[in-house]
Amino acid sequence: AQSVAQPEDQVNVAEGNPLTVKCTYSVSGNPYLFWYVQYPNRGLQFLLKYITGDNLVKGSYGFEAEFNKSQTSFHLKKPSALVSDSALYFCAVSPREGGGNKLTFGTGTQLKVEL
Amino acid sequence: NAGVMQNPRHLVRRRGQEARLRCSPMKGHSHVYWYRQLPEEGLKFMVYLQKENIIDESGMPKERFSAEFPKEGPSILRIQQVVRGDSAAYFCASSPSSGPNTEAFFGQGTRLTVV
Repeated sequence: AQSVAQPEDQVNVAEGNPLTVKCTYSVSGNPYLFWYVQYPNRGLQFLLKYITGDNLVKGSYGFEAEFNKSQTSFHLKKPSALVSDSALYFCAVSPREGGGNKLTFGTGTQLKVEL
Repeated sequence: NAGVMQNPRHLVRRRGQEARLRCSPMKGHSHVYWYRQLPEEGLKFMVYLQKENIIDESGMPKERFSAEFPKEGPSILRIQQVVRGDSAAYFCASSPSSGPNTEAFFGQGTRLTVV
């Protein structure tokens, strides 16, 4: 069975500072990894994904994530946070074989960016 | 190209009633996924459907829940004899294929409240 862990319920960062939202995963074989963002009372919006190739993935709104196979991590990063980045962030994994877009999500990390 | 459309956005049902949640996938998308988000939790996979077929229903409760995606019309998630524990946000996602090279697009969700 696959699983995703987001160890921090909330991350606080000052605007302009770099941010990191942590994610580790457990899956047999090589995974597909995703980050989604959810604003209040909205659906999930896709940010980025890792399929194969370069371990550093660049996505929407200046976000990027680094796939680290040895640490089974896929942390989300942004060099300079904005107040508008404040939202709920979900890491997700899907199996390579037959999983389609059947995603297993972490419990989410609330990001709060303050002035 | 409209996004994934879910209706209603909010649904209130009394215990014992039936709830019908609708999802119209993006144009050209024939794969639909339903997820449930309980308060303070991440999204949990429920069911994966293609037109007229249930591909994976491993996340569906064994009783009272059913889903369909007919040849014509939206996908329907039906909950019979609702109980308070069914109160949650139900999200639908669609994709044009089953491969994770194409990410799933999420609707804004239906928030079901059982009173």
